[in-house]
Amino acid sequence: NAGVTQTPKFQVLKTGQSMTLQCAQDMNHNSMYWYRQDPGMGLRLIYYSASEGTTDKGEVPNGYNVSRLNKREFSLRLESAAPSQTSVYFCASSTSGGSRSPQHFGDGTRLSIL
Amino acid sequence: AQKVTQAQTEISVVEKEDVTLDCVYETRDTTYYLFWYKQPPSGELVFLIRRNSFDEQNEISGRYSWNFQKSTSSFNFTITASQVVDSAVYFCALNFDNDMRFGAGTRLTVKP
Repeated sequence: NAGVTQTPKFQVLKTGQSMTLQCAQDMNHNSMYWYRQDPGMGLRLIYYSASEGTTDKGEVPNGYNVSRLNKREFSLRLESAAPSQTSVYFCASSTSGGSRSPQHFGDGTRLSIL
Repeated sequence: AQKVTQAQTEISVVEKEDVTLDCVYETRDTTYYLFWYKQPPSGELVFLIRRNSFDEQNEISGRYSWNFQKSTSSFNFTITASQVVDSAVYFCALNFDNDMRFGAGTRLTVKP
């Protein structure tokens, strides 16, 4: 039972390069989320998809784009990476949108931008 | 605006001690959910508990207990008889309509 799978686990980019982080869940969840975790700041929501076909901005969306490819997959794209985007990125999913359902997280992608 | 404050950045205890992790939140909404997550050294995030704003009953699960007090906007987490395996970063979070706000986390170290 894989749960939420993120690829890659580690990546190093140069400033200005583009990159897509992949996320897939096998729990038949409707809602999916992307967060970034920076030291001393907890997790911050970048984008979410309450259901297939919809996406919405979270707290820190600038510099990112997302695609809800199907019910299982939700990707996060950095079009022109900047050093400020160095972070650990977590994908999560939940049964439904709104605030009720607990979110289940992937193992994270550690991204460094030089 | 929604905000979660975990004032304790780091706590260190000796095994078998009890420890309480504080969480204070701010919101103007009347319906919301509060969560606690654990992040062990391996890095994954593990869901521990959910509480909705209308349910102020305290909850106990084994050595873990949670105290939700709406009057003080607090949702504190107590570990009784701590163990080395409890060493982790613990996050409190507040969720309203997909807007999930996490606190900065409390790093708990339990020494043998």
